[in-house]
Amino acid sequence: DAMVIQNPRYQVTQFGKPVTLSCSQTLNHNVMYWYQQKSSQAPKLLFHYYDKDFNNEADTPDNFQSRRPNTSFCFLDIRSPGLGDAAMYLCATSREGQGFGQPQHFGDGTRLSIL
Amino acid sequence: DQQVKQNSPSLSVQEGRISILNCDYTNSMFDYFLWYKKYPAEGPTFLISISSIKDKNEDGRFTVFLNKSAKHLSLHIVPSQPGDSAVYFCAAIRNDYKLSFGAGTTVTVRA
Repeated sequence: DAMVIQNPRYQVTQFGKPVTLSCSQTLNHNVMYWYQQKSSQAPKLLFHYYDKDFNNEADTPDNFQSRRPNTSFCFLDIRSPGLGDAAMYLCATSREGQGFGQPQHFGDGTRLSIL
Repeated sequence: DQQVKQNSPSLSVQEGRISILNCDYTNSMFDYFLWYKKYPAEGPTFLISISSIKDKNEDGRFTVFLNKSAKHLSLHIVPSQPGDSAVYFCAAIRNDYKLSFGAGTTVTVRA
């Protein structure tokens, strides 16, 4: 089945120690997104790639970066995680250019804990 | 600034009865509205959507109603089943493709 896979499902890192979360997709979608979701809050868009073009949200901290080496893979890098970065991180994909309202397809998320 | 709001964090309903989930938005430029369903330890999955030019969309047991003048939409689930117990997110798209999410409503269907 075509899907969005996030690894790892759970990640524990130390305060200030860089961490990378990964996302892969077999849907061949041209857009990939990273969201941060804290408990009982709405998922918050951090940034997205439209094909190779990186689009950062205005309020995304500089601490968060992303890489998309090819269509299938996208990475979220947190350079110096703080306690406030503990959250669920969701990757999503969509096929744009096919008209409005295309639903995004989500992975199961990576739960990040900071010690 | 939260542009999509789900003011009821939880809803409990008896199996077989109707579940009504509500969502309000502030941005009149939204073009599409979507509902996502999320089980614990899984990512959100797309459930149903509606274009801003329509006022109703139905898919099996799920119906979404849109009231543009009130900037309000609702999701009706009839009849509710135990497998419907999940968190439901309302989301909206402007003239780009980025989603604005509500904080979610946790639905519990009682046997």
